[in-house]
Amino acid sequence: QVQLQESGPGLVKPSGTVSLTCAVSGGSISSSNWWSWVRQPPGKGLEWIGKISHSGSTTYNPSLKSRITMSLDKSKNQISLKLNSVTAADTALYFCAREVSLIVVVDATQGESSYLDVWGQGTTVTVSS
Amino acid sequence: DIQMTQSPSSLSASVGDRVTITCRASQSISTYLNWYQQTPGKAPKLLIYDASTLYIGVPSRFSGSRSGTVFTLSISNLQPEDFATYYCQQSSSAPYTFGQGTMLEIK
Repeated sequence: QVQLQESGPGLVKPSGTVSLTCAVSGGSISSSNWWSWVRQPPGKGLEWIGKISHSGSTTYNPSLKSRITMSLDKSKNQISLKLNSVTAADTALYFCAREVSLIVVVDATQGESSYLDVWGQGTTVTVSS
Repeated sequence: DIQMTQSPSSLSASVGDRVTITCRASQSISTYLNWYQQTPGKAPKLLIYDASTLYIGVPSRFSGSRSGTVFTLSISNLQPEDFATYYCQQSSSAPYTFGQGTMLEIK
């Protein structure tokens, strides 16, 4: 079964750039899935950061779009997230997750439903000088 | 962005009770609503997707329903391992948004 493992530097200085990776095992990132990043500040709720498809297409949260870059490394079977110009507000537990999509028909209308079914254990990023 | 308003923010119940958590979307999201369970320091776990479909391996005491833009997660016969925080999430349009969470505590 697919497993995800995030890794990162832990501590980053304000205004710096944090680079996180998500290693995928038990499956290929080239499969027909999207891969999402979600973060959770200490004691707070979940925030969706964005996603990247198996072909490298990306969709970012507009609130972070100017500061983030997601990429794939198919040779290493991993996904990466870069977040620049970090501040204390970026301190959080960062998760990667697999997004699965399925076609559904609701009220005679066909659409696509998706969900995050496999998650990594998360990696903590602390922004501090 | 689609706003997801979850209520209550916290809830106390006893083992064996039945509880209901509600999530309201700020606009129509069809059935594109998922429910997750999270314990402290751990990753969220998918419980229900597409408003009412139980994910593989999730006990049948969990159920989800939809009425327009209002979604409900129900848990019957609460077990000790069910005391956690629950989040709804819409996948109708990006950015996907989560409710603020409901912390279910033991009474």
